[in-house]
Amino acid sequence: GQNIDQPTEMTATEGAIVQINCTYQTSGFNGLFWYQQHAGEAPTFLSYNVLDGLEEKGRFSSFLSRSKGYSYLLLKELQMKDSASYLCAVRDSYSGGYQKVTFGIGTKLQVIP
Amino acid sequence: GAVVSQHPSRVICKSGTSVKIECRSLDFQATTMFWYRQFPKQSLMLMATSNEGSKATYEQGVEKDKFLINHASLTLSTLTVTSAHPEDSSFYICSARDKGYPNSPLHFGNGTRLTVT
Repeated sequence: GQNIDQPTEMTATEGAIVQINCTYQTSGFNGLFWYQQHAGEAPTFLSYNVLDGLEEKGRFSSFLSRSKGYSYLLLKELQMKDSASYLCAVRDSYSGGYQKVTFGIGTKLQVIP
Repeated sequence: GAVVSQHPSRVICKSGTSVKIECRSLDFQATTMFWYRQFPKQSLMLMATSNEGSKATYEQGVEKDKFLINHASLTLSTLTVTSAHPEDSSFYICSARDKGYPNSPLHFGNGTRLTVT
């Protein structure tokens, strides 16, 4: 099974940098995803890591350490519209012909002026 | 590309009735679609995996006779909540993975807000 931990809430200032951490324990691993979810809406894909290291995409970066079962999402130059929940999700190894994606509870980020 | 369409976006029904939710992949084929449920302030919980042309695989604790899943084609999966009760009120979200890109991220529909009165 999968166990995914991330902080439930964070607050950061507009223009600043914030790091959202995620730790996981899994029976199999084939990639970690970060999604953004605004209240009442479906998640939207932000980033994907399957190998160790940093993936950068504009203002968003995500890091993975498989040996430590650890990832973080880094948001730079925060904007008010970045206020949302950020979901860490882990994909299983192949099992029965398909791969299951399990989500963490999400970190609700509030950006303040 | 990789658009998933989910309908309806909102539905209100009376206790005891059934509700059908559709999930379509618009520009790609999906042999597998996933149905999630999200209660307020909680994470997305996988309910079942919908496999085209075969029976769905349900997660532990999800009643297969209550949540009927049909995946009749490579672009359509339906979830029917039968004999709905107020505790079934939730946000239901489908997702799909492009058949041609099994390692790609999940693409989500916009979700269905179900309210059972």
